Amino acid sequence: SAVISQKPSRDICQRGTSLTIQCQVDSQVTMMFWYRQQPGQSLTLIATANQGSEATYESGFVIDKFPISRPNLTFSTLTVSNLSPEDSSIYLCSVEGRDSYNEQFFGPGTRLTVL
Amino acid sequence: AQKITQTQPGMFVQEKEAVTLDCTYDTSDQSYGLFWYKQPSSGEMIFLIYQGSYDEQNATEGRYSLNFQKARKSANLVISASQLGDSAMYFCAMRDVNTGFQKLVFGTGTRLLVSP
Repeated sequence: SAVISQKPSRDICQRGTSLTIQCQVDSQVTMMFWYRQQPGQSLTLIATANQGSEATYESGFVIDKFPISRPNLTFSTLTVSNLSPEDSSIYLCSVEGRDSYNEQFFGPGTRLTVL
Repeated sequence: AQKITQTQPGMFVQEKEAVTLDCTYDTSDQSYGLFWYKQPSSGEMIFLIYQGSYDEQNATEGRYSLNFQKARKSANLVISASQLGDSAMYFCAMRDVNTGFQKLVFGTGTRLLVSP
C-alpha cells in the first residue's frame, strides 16, 4: 500500500488567515486527490491534482479558495484561504494503489479548527 | 449521478459476533468499483475491501467480506468475529472506473460500537 503523510496533523487558525497542507507519498503517483470532511459528515472531493497541469475542482469548490500545487509526482499542497469557521474540517489527501486501480489510500488527515 | 446510501446511522454488536453494515448504490454505469473504509476516532481512513462490478465472486479480506448483490445494487460489509477495535465509523464508497479521474463518492457512514 502507499504510505502517505500529511503536515500539519492539526492546526487552529484565526479567521481570515490561510493554511497550507502538505501531502507526501512514498511513491510516484499520477493523480492525487484532496477531500474535505466537515464535522459529523462524510467525505467530499475538493479537487484532483495531476502533476504538470491545473487541478480539476468539483462543483462548489474554487481555485481562489482552495489553491493546489502539484510540483512533482510525490507531493502536493492544498491551501485553504481566507479561513472562516465553516472551513473547520478534516482535510485528507488520497492516491490510488501503487499496483492497481482497486485500491485507494488516504493520508492521516489534517484537522483544522478555525476560530 | 452516482449515489451511495447507508441507512444505518449506528449499529451495536457484541464482541465475537458478526455484523452486517448495509450499503446500496445507484449508478447508470456498467463498470464501477465499490470500497469500504473504516475511520476510527483518530480520523484516518483505513481501506478495508474492494469489489469490482464485474467480479463474479464476493470480495474477502480477513474478517471482512462483501456481500455483493448486483441486481439489488447492494454491497453490504460483513465483519465476522467482531473485536473491540472494530468500533469506528464505516464508509461505503463508489468509483466510476470509466472516467479519467478516479473520484470516490461516499455514503454518510455507519457508526459501529462493539461491546464486551
